[in-house]
Amino acid sequence: DIQMTQSPSSLSASVGDRVTITCRASQGVRKYLAWFQQKPGKAPKSLIYDASSLHSGVPSKFSGSGSGTDFTLTISSLQPEDFATYYCQQYSSYPFTFGGGTKVEIK
Amino acid sequence: EVQLVESGGGLVKPGGSLRLSCAASGFTFSNAWMSWVRQAPGKGLEWVGRIKTKTNGGATDYAAPVKGRFTISRDDSKNTLYLQMNSLKTEDTAVYYCGLGDAFDIWGQGTMVTVSS
Repeated sequence: DIQMTQSPSSLSASVGDRVTITCRASQGVRKYLAWFQQKPGKAPKSLIYDASSLHSGVPSKFSGSGSGTDFTLTISSLQPEDFATYYCQQYSSYPFTFGGGTKVEIK
Repeated sequence: EVQLVESGGGLVKPGGSLRLSCAASGFTFSNAWMSWVRQAPGKGLEWVGRIKTKTNGGATDYAAPVKGRFTISRDDSKNTLYLQMNSLKTEDTAVYYCGLGDAFDIWGQGTMVTVSS
């Protein structure tokens, strides 16, 4: 199975900060990497697919990059509604696997 | 509006069975590959499995912890996805989400399954 490792597991940031979350795959997943945002008690929301394509309706402050084994999610200017847990997922080979999550908290 | 609505969760004893449903609307369900993911209380997301379209043979794939116990199926006439869960264990306790596609373009709201004696 492909292991997905997210770093950091948590971070504290201020409104307006630029935030970068990293996701590393134990083997290459080509471009087949998605990012999700989850708030407490809610279902996850899809942000990015194919490593860098933004889902419709997702603000352009979110961006994704990378291919192969190393990927990043960047939030250009953190806003109060962005405090949440973020997950990456590879869908290159079965079983599909998720990263452990990155909790973004208010500093 | 594209929407997925899960139902069928509840409390079941270890060794018991439960069937979850996921009603789809707002898109051509018969053309969609569909997936299930779960999230144990306070934990991260865990992929459960996926079903392809009938034109792709309706093939299924499962995660190792559920293979042989869980079965994913679909009824395209009812725009509904199913997850049949047998031989349930306490570690299957989780919120179960259905999703559109391999990359979970759309998520349902989730349904809670509690396995406890």
